[in-house]
Amino acid sequence: EPEVTQTPSHQVTQMGQEVILRCVPISNHLYFYWYRQILGQKVEFLVSFYNNEISEKSEIFDDQFSVERPDGSNFTLKIRSTKLEDSAMYFCASGRLGATYEQYFGPGTRLTVT
Amino acid sequence: GENVEQHPSTLSVQEGDSAVIKCTYSDSASNYFPWYKQELGKRPQLIIDIRSNVGEKKDQRIAVTLNKTAKHFSLHITETQPEDSAVYFCARGKTGANNLFFGTGTRLTVIP
Repeated sequence: EPEVTQTPSHQVTQMGQEVILRCVPISNHLYFYWYRQILGQKVEFLVSFYNNEISEKSEIFDDQFSVERPDGSNFTLKIRSTKLEDSAMYFCASGRLGATYEQYFGPGTRLTVT
Repeated sequence: GENVEQHPSTLSVQEGDSAVIKCTYSDSASNYFPWYKQELGKRPQLIIDIRSNVGEKKDQRIAVTLNKTAKHFSLHITETQPEDSAVYFCARGKTGANNLFFGTGTRLTVIP
């Protein structure tokens, strides 16, 4: 069964540095999402992406964040200048056209900002 | 509002017993209610979902019920097994919005 994949599994960076988190959604899915989960807390929505543009974003997704689908398979999340409070698990998710509600999550990237 | 309230935060049951987790929401436009299971250090996995046009859905030992009038939905796990131990998250979504709003999670422990 196809799954969403994410790289790296763990990223350690210094405050102020830029990071790019990568995701490969399930191949026939057209809706893409990023969520984050601070340790021990609930999953929080960041952004959704469809038809090569952002369809929704949360208050968390400020100017420091951006997303891109640089080719037909990858979906990336960039944080321009990381802050300590960006430390979290970042999950990518994808969904099929016609079943836009069903979202399947990747294994996550644990981002640690020091 | 956006929040989804989830109770209880922790739940311990004996193997073979049933477990029930309840979520409430306030946005009456919500029409999609999935449940995710997250094992320690792993991804959230979609285990069952329900749309607002039905009141109950069952898949083997797992069932979800929805009361749209009262704005609450519940996950029922029967004949629990140790491998059911995990954190369970409810969520809600609605037509025209792509994002899901998650509950705060329930840590279920099934005691052998």
